[in-house]
Amino acid sequence: DQQVKQNSPSLSVQEGRISILNCDYTNSMFDYFLWYKKYPAEGPTFLISISSIKDKNEDGRFTVFLNKSAKHLSLHIVPSQPGDSAVYFCAASAIGTYKYIFGTGTRLKVLA
Amino acid sequence: DTAVSQTPKYLVTQMGNDKSIKCEQNLGHDTMYWYKQDSKKFLKIMFSYNNKELIINETVPNRFSPKSPDKAHLNLHINSLELGDSAVYFCASSQFTVETQYFGPGTRLLVL
Repeated sequence: DQQVKQNSPSLSVQEGRISILNCDYTNSMFDYFLWYKKYPAEGPTFLISISSIKDKNEDGRFTVFLNKSAKHLSLHIVPSQPGDSAVYFCAASAIGTYKYIFGTGTRLKVLA
Repeated sequence: DTAVSQTPKYLVTQMGNDKSIKCEQNLGHDTMYWYKQDSKKFLKIMFSYNNKELIINETVPNRFSPKSPDKAHLNLHINSLELGDSAVYFCASSQFTVETQYFGPGTRLLVL
């Protein structure tokens, strides 16, 4: 049973436009969420996080939104740049479990 | 200066062999992890150590044995390798459990 789902395996966006990557989860005990970015042949790198006590967190061009009632989070990148082309993973953790559950990733391609 | 390093980067071996993957972090973190990313791109946690003590052991075959000689190292030894063990293995570390994790570049294991 996959508790964290990223239903779009890929997404293409024009440079300068907004990229929206989505993530759904099933476990209502999840209380902390992360987004990671991964380039080919490299490990994932941390991008942005959000706690369940918030519904939005912003860091430069990156904003994460959390809708707890819908069990949905999204990552907005604006404006998108070609260097943003990578695979994006969302991950979730429930308090006391000491681990993250990862989604399967969405490959973002930003077209110049 | 690499924060989380893994060796080797690539590993090609025959079924039935025993192999080890090494991981070192120079971030001073207390917690280290091993993840497996399979052909379907699922990134699943295998083990986690906090201060050299095992805190997470997912349903991993006991052919996989992690060893943490000190806080900065978490090695993964795999006995009697099988075809299904072919995957990318990522090491990660964090300051505390369920904090932002920093990943190594991955070890690509191919079992023939």
